[in-house]
Amino acid sequence: NAGVTQTPKFQVLKTGQSMTLQCAQDMNHEYMSWYRQDPGMGLRLIHYSVGAGITDQGEVPNGYNVSRSTTEDFPLRLLSAAPSQTSVYFCASSYSGTGVGGEKLFFGSGTQLSVL
Amino acid sequence: AQKITQTQPGMFVQEKEAVTLDCTYDTSDQSYGLFWYKQPSSGEMIFLIYQGSYDEQNATEGRYSLNFQKARKSANLVISASQLGDSAMYFCAMNRWNNNDMRFGAGTRLTVKP
Repeated sequence: NAGVTQTPKFQVLKTGQSMTLQCAQDMNHEYMSWYRQDPGMGLRLIHYSVGAGITDQGEVPNGYNVSRSTTEDFPLRLLSAAPSQTSVYFCASSYSGTGVGGEKLFFGSGTQLSVL
Repeated sequence: AQKITQTQPGMFVQEKEAVTLDCTYDTSDQSYGLFWYKQPSSGEMIFLIYQGSYDEQNATEGRYSLNFQKARKSANLVISASQLGDSAMYFCAMNRWNNNDMRFGAGTRLTVKP
């Protein structure tokens, strides 16, 4: 029972490079999301999706792209990495979405990204 | 958008004692949910407890309870009989019903002393 799987666990990029953080879940969850965690700021929502083909912006979407072609996968793309994107990234999912009362998020193990 | 405030960056508690972690929130919505998550040093996020805005009784889950004071807009986490394994970061979070934007507080780092 894998739950939410994120890859890679660690990544170092140079400014201007692009990369994709992978996220997959095997729980048939409709809702998937990406958060970034920075010291003193908690977790901030980047993008989310309520189903295949549907994505929306969260609190801090600039510099990130997402797509949702399948229920299982929700990759996060950094098109041109900047030092300000150095952070820990979490993918999270739930059955229907955080807008449903009481529905908790299931988190991946996180990706630590450094942009030099 | 809703805002979550955790005013205690760090807390210390003696093993076997109880501790309260503070959380206040700001929203004009009537329907919302409040969550607490634990993040050990290993980094994963662990769901602890949930309270709905219409729940009349405070939520409890084992040694965790949520002291919900709706008028004061506070949702404090109470951990009874602290254990060394409770040392971790604790995040308060809130979502508004019919809105997929779950917001988190900055977190409180709890250290349990033996």
